[in-house]
Amino acid sequence: AQRVTQPEKLLSVFKGAPVELKCNYSYSGSPELFWYVQYSRQRLQLLLRHISRESIKGFTADLNKGETSFHLKKPFAQEEDSAMYYCALSTGGTSYGKLTFGQGTILTVHP
Amino acid sequence: GAVVSQHPSRVICKSGTSVKIECRSLDFQATTMFWYRQFPKQSLMLMATSNEGSKATYEQGVEKDKFLINHASLTLSTLTVTSAHPEDSSFYICSARGGNTGELFFGEGSRLTVL
Repeated sequence: AQRVTQPEKLLSVFKGAPVELKCNYSYSGSPELFWYVQYSRQRLQLLLRHISRESIKGFTADLNKGETSFHLKKPFAQEEDSAMYYCALSTGGTSYGKLTFGQGTILTVHP
Repeated sequence: GAVVSQHPSRVICKSGTSVKIECRSLDFQATTMFWYRQFPKQSLMLMATSNEGSKATYEQGVEKDKFLINHASLTLSTLTVTSAHPEDSSFYICSARGGNTGELFFGEGSRLTVL
C-alpha cells in the first residue's frame, strides 16, 4: 500500500527566509504527487502537482523518484504563506482522485 | 474554479441517532465524489468513493453499514452516519473532480459531534 510521510508537524521561519517542507512517499508504481494547502478557516485547495511542473505562489516541488521525495520549496517565505500543507499521492488510473495524504505540516512565517 | 459545498458545516447529535451530510458540486457535474475523515490533528483518510448511480466503494476498514453513501445525482452525494456514537465524532470532508483539468475540489468540511 502507498504511504506519504511528512516528517515535520511544525515548521517556523522568518519572512524572507527560504523554506522547505519535506515529503517522502512509498509506492511501487508511478505515483502522481500533489501539494495541498489549507489557510486558516478555509478549505483545502490544490497548490501544485508534479505533472504540471509549475511554480505557484513562488512554490516549487520536484519529484525525485530515486529518493522518493516531493519536497516543497520557496526561496523567500512570506507571512501569507502561513498555513497547513499536505503532501498527497494518487496512484492514478482508475484510482485518480483517491488521495493518500501525509500528516501535514503547519508552516508559520514570522514577520 | 469549481465549488464544492457541504452542509451542514457543524452538527451535534445524540448517541444512537443518524446524521446526514450533503456534498454538492455547485457549478459542475461530478460522477465521482470522495469522502474523507479527519481526526483532530491528524491527516485526512479516504473513507469511500461515491459513484453516481451505483454503489459506493469503501476503503478497507470502513463499515459500509455505518457510513451510508448515496450519490443520487451528478451534483449531490450524501453521507449518513447511522446510529452515531461518540467515536464517530470527526471532521468529514468531501471532494469532487471538476473543471478542465480534472482537479480535485474540496468541500469546507462538516464537523460532527456525537454526545
